[in-house]
Amino acid sequence: GQSLEQPSEVTAVEGAIVQINCTYQTSGFYGLSWYQQHDGGAPTFLSYNALDGLEETGRFSSFLSRSDSYGYLLLQELQMKDSASYFCAVRDQDSNYQLIWGAGTKLIIKP
Amino acid sequence: NAGVTQTPKFQVLKTGQSMTLQCAQDMNHEYMSWYRQDPGMGLRLIHYSVGAGITDQGEVPNGYNVSRSTTEDFPLRLLSAAPSQTSVYFCASSYSNPGGPSPQYFGPGTRLTVL
Repeated sequence: GQSLEQPSEVTAVEGAIVQINCTYQTSGFYGLSWYQQHDGGAPTFLSYNALDGLEETGRFSSFLSRSDSYGYLLLQELQMKDSASYFCAVRDQDSNYQLIWGAGTKLIIKP
Repeated sequence: NAGVTQTPKFQVLKTGQSMTLQCAQDMNHEYMSWYRQDPGMGLRLIHYSVGAGITDQGEVPNGYNVSRSTTEDFPLRLLSAAPSQTSVYFCASSYSNPGGPSPQYFGPGTRLTVL
């Protein structure tokens, strides 16, 4: 069956770098997406990787290795406003090519 | 642009009651989806639509109905509310099928409690 695994919680210090991992098991692969969700808020799109390698968008980068069924989100120069939950999601062939989501990683940032 | 709007923001129902959650988008997106999010879990797809007049079931469709008569609106109907439907409901829209480079845009959510 399909599944995505992420750590439930990660703690980091303001100004530091943190990596949030995601491993997936799906039927077919059509790209890995990352979303951010602040407490009480709605998810917002961060990045999408279809090919192996690193995609950079400002302080955030996302990496994909299709051979390892693995990706990560890298957050640099952490700010207190980055405290949120981060979700990886993939399109799954067995789910009519709709998105399935990981359970999310809660990022706690300490001053 | 208002983006994706949802009403109501909060709702309390009694077991057995029915209600409709409203969702509208003004971005002319063809794809719309309804998700539910339970504590400590990711989003689970309830129903989705690839265009006006076309809907399909997601992962957890039981107890919910949808319709898509216009591009803009995608209401979700709870037929007979049960405590297991207590959750936060998000509506989302996208230009193309979610999971590609086209992002999904989410509404603010409806927090539903069923007693």
